[in-house]
Amino acid sequence: RKEVEQDPGPFNVPEGATVAFNCTYSNSASQSFFWYRQDCRKEPKLLMSVYSSGNEDGRFTAQLNRASQYISLLIRDSKLSDSATYLCVVNIPTISNFGNEKLTFGTGTRLTIIP
Amino acid sequence: DTEVTQTPKHLVMGMTNKKSLKCEQHMGHRAMYWYKQKAKKPPELMFVYSYEKLSINESVPSRFSPECPNSSLLNLHLHALQPEDSALYLCASSQGDRDYEKLFFGSGTQLSVL
Repeated sequence: RKEVEQDPGPFNVPEGATVAFNCTYSNSASQSFFWYRQDCRKEPKLLMSVYSSGNEDGRFTAQLNRASQYISLLIRDSKLSDSATYLCVVNIPTISNFGNEKLTFGTGTRLTIIP
Repeated sequence: DTEVTQTPKHLVMGMTNKKSLKCEQHMGHRAMYWYKQKAKKPPELMFVYSYEKLSINESVPSRFSPECPNSSLLNLHLHALQPEDSALYLCASSQGDRDYEKLFFGSGTQLSVL
């Protein structure tokens, strides 16, 4: 099983619709979870952190399910500008003397919003 | 605009060339990273520097040589690369004072090896 897995899509969604992505992780000791957004030929940019209690930022809602080891991202009232690849990032605890955890990226889910 | 600056934005090099990629941040971050990203794939971690010391090397071939001259600068020296090394090379930084950190990426160097 991959450390971090996502459905690669593509998801083609009409403008204004609601879309949700899931991301599963294999290491139950993981503590930090993030969603990044990457536009074509650009760098990844942090969209939001994912907190245990769930969190919302405008049209975006992130949730964590520790029991089933997945995180989710919900986008409401989708806009054309939401078209991008959404990357799930999870810290993978390592045996390290330096305290750096290894942030591992999922394969990304490609989203296209259709006018 | 990203606060992590990478140069050059594009680089074409032959297999016998020596070149360097540069990365700079002035956010006071103490951890800096090199990632490699192939088309339609996620970024793959190469190296991590924490407080100017190499803390993670993900079994990267020796033709890639990282260097951290100070807390604001990170270089990646390239020598005798192969065509399969063509990719987007991303630098990132994080605060570095906690285990679990948000990453801030530079815009990357698109490298082509001929």
